[in-house]
Amino acid sequence: EAGVTQFPSHSVIEKGQTVTLRCDPISGHDNLYWYRRVMGKEIKFLLHFVKESKQDESGMPNNRFLAERTGGTYSTLKVQPAELEDSGVYFCASSHRTKSEKLFFGSGTQLSVL
Amino acid sequence: SQQGEEDPQALSIQEGENATMNCSYKTSINNLQWYRQNSGRGLVHLILIRSNEREKHSGRLRVTLDTSKKSSSLLITASRAADTASYFCATMAFGGFKTIFGAGTRLFVKA
Repeated sequence: EAGVTQFPSHSVIEKGQTVTLRCDPISGHDNLYWYRRVMGKEIKFLLHFVKESKQDESGMPNNRFLAERTGGTYSTLKVQPAELEDSGVYFCASSHRTKSEKLFFGSGTQLSVL
Repeated sequence: SQQGEEDPQALSIQEGENATMNCSYKTSINNLQWYRQNSGRGLVHLILIRSNEREKHSGRLRVTLDTSKKSSSLLITASRAADTASYFCATMAFGGFKTIFGAGTRLFVKA
């Protein structure tokens, strides 16, 4: 069984540019989450999808961040325009619909905004 | 504000010693989980303890939960160099799907 995959693993962009991160959850996992870790701080919740619907987007920092999950499969997280404080590691996680407590994480995307 | 807060922030021990990490949280929970992250990798689920449980074991891992103090501890016995990683506690509230993580404890096990 393939795990959660994220692409790219690293991204270096300049302030003001746009970046799109992609997450492919484990097949059949209805729940998909985005998290961010900045400079060794806590892993902060961004949002939660159930299939294609946004269940909870209370952690999204501002309207420069847009997450989508068309068709309820893979998800994208777009940052436009990127700011310096957006730098960090963006993690995606998925969980099964009924066994939803255990999260399976991808390896993350290291985003550096210069 | 973060829910879980691990203590210590960093821990360095010799191989064979036990490692204890603590976690405190703020609000009522349904369950508490511990995850491990090796450098450059994703988090891996280690163990889950429910709010009505006080202690749980899995291999060399022992987790305790004290809901009156809103705290948990993770004990790794007979540590190995391969246990070197960051360890995070995470909490989930009743009726919720959101798992909240702390900042983690960095464990370094010297061979």
